Amino acid sequence: SYELTQPPSVSVSPGQTARITCSGDTLPKQYAYWYQQKPGQAPVVVIYKDNERPSGIPERFSGSSSGTTVTLTISGVQAEDEGDYYCQSADSSGTHRVFGGGTKVTVL
Amino acid sequence: QVQLVESGGGVVQPGRSLRLSCAASGFTFSSYAMHWVRQPPGKGLEWVAVISYDGGNKYYADSVQGRFSISRDNSKSTLYLQVNSLGAEDTAVYYCVKDDGEFGFIYWGQGTLVSVSS
Repeated sequence: SYELTQPPSVSVSPGQTARITCSGDTLPKQYAYWYQQKPGQAPVVVIYKDNERPSGIPERFSGSSSGTTVTLTISGVQAEDEGDYYCQSADSSGTHRVFGGGTKVTVL
Repeated sequence: QVQLVESGGGVVQPGRSLRLSCAASGFTFSSYAMHWVRQPPGKGLEWVAVISYDGGNKYYADSVQGRFSISRDNSKSTLYLQVNSLGAEDTAVYYCVKDDGEFGFIYWGQGTLVSVSS
């Protein structure tokens, strides 16, 4: 089965930049999405189609793609950005979706 | 605005069955594929199943293939997930999710908790 690989945790000081990577063989061909999840809440999309930001998501969230790796960047991290972040994409056929294991972002 | 409201969760004994429902509103339900995604307590997200806009195509994660069945009633704007032969590993919050027309999800329900316990 297809897999996406993320680091389990990232720690960052307020105002600094957090980068979360996600690796997978089909990422060059399939769009990646990023979701933020806070305790007890449903996930919220922060980046869609590799680098698009939904309305209402702060500009400090951005996405990029290079080969088999996509990256979520949070510039000028704020305390409210703490939470779990998941990347998501599809398998090569586009029929099955897959999530990365999640990255816990801690603001020091 | 888009609303997805799940129901049908609860405590169920191992080996039993349950049917989850998701009432959709705020968009043309019959035009979009729909998904179920689950999350065990304290763990990550797992995609479960997808159904095409007309119900003609259905795909499942390997972990639920043969035990779960996704369906929809476009006249009622409702999505279903029939979960059979439940085991402890199926304990999770189950989310109803709207396909965005590409490969991801923009709108999520608040989830319904299924707890498998004797």
